[in-house]
Amino acid sequence: KQEVTQIPAALSVPEGENLVLNCSFTDSAIYNLQWFRQDPGKGLTSLLLIQSSQREQTSGRLNASLDKSSGRSTLYIAASQPGDSATYLCAVMDKGGSEKLVFGKGTKLTVNP
Amino acid sequence: GAVVSQHPSRVICKSGTSVKIECRSLDFQATTMFWYRQFPKKSLMLMATSNEGSKATYEQGVEKDKFLINHASLTLSTLTVTSAHPEDSSFYICSARNTAGGASYNEQFFGPGTRLTVL
Repeated sequence: KQEVTQIPAALSVPEGENLVLNCSFTDSAIYNLQWFRQDPGKGLTSLLLIQSSQREQTSGRLNASLDKSSGRSTLYIAASQPGDSATYLCAVMDKGGSEKLVFGKGTKLTVNP
Repeated sequence: GAVVSQHPSRVICKSGTSVKIECRSLDFQATTMFWYRQFPKKSLMLMATSNEGSKATYEQGVEKDKFLINHASLTLSTLTVTSAHPEDSSFYICSARNTAGGASYNEQFFGPGTRLTVL
């Protein structure tokens, strides 16, 4: 059974810092990996999608990498801003049958002005 | 990215009534949609997979007669909470999977959520 772990559970940084969020998964048989952000009381916003054949994706100040063989992904946020404060969720689409997303528990990021 | 809407965004109802929540993919067709619920400060819990033109697939422990799902078209899925009770109060979120191909093939897009409060 696929399990996704995110470290750290919470992170607080001063504005302007570069930071890395970590995600690991136990079964490398995945279709893709997605990073989302969730603001309190809101739905999820898709940030980056990495297909299983890809190594990384970039969007603005965000860069996500995927190492499928080791079951790891990182989300790099450059020059963090207070508006980046949110919970970041990592999810993999499992090949195990139903093609559902399996989520980690998230990393709550706070960027202090 | 693609847009998924949910309606209503908030609903308050009396115990025993039924509530319908709509999930629409606005600019793409979705043969598969998903329904989640989320308790405060907790992870998303997948309730069911909604398949266009066929019966939904429910996760273990989710009562299919309690949470009725209908996926009548490629852009609309509905979740009806029947005979709602206070313990059904939660944040319900839907998502739609892009199966049309291209760079975002299999990318999932989420709706903004519906806050249900049952009195």
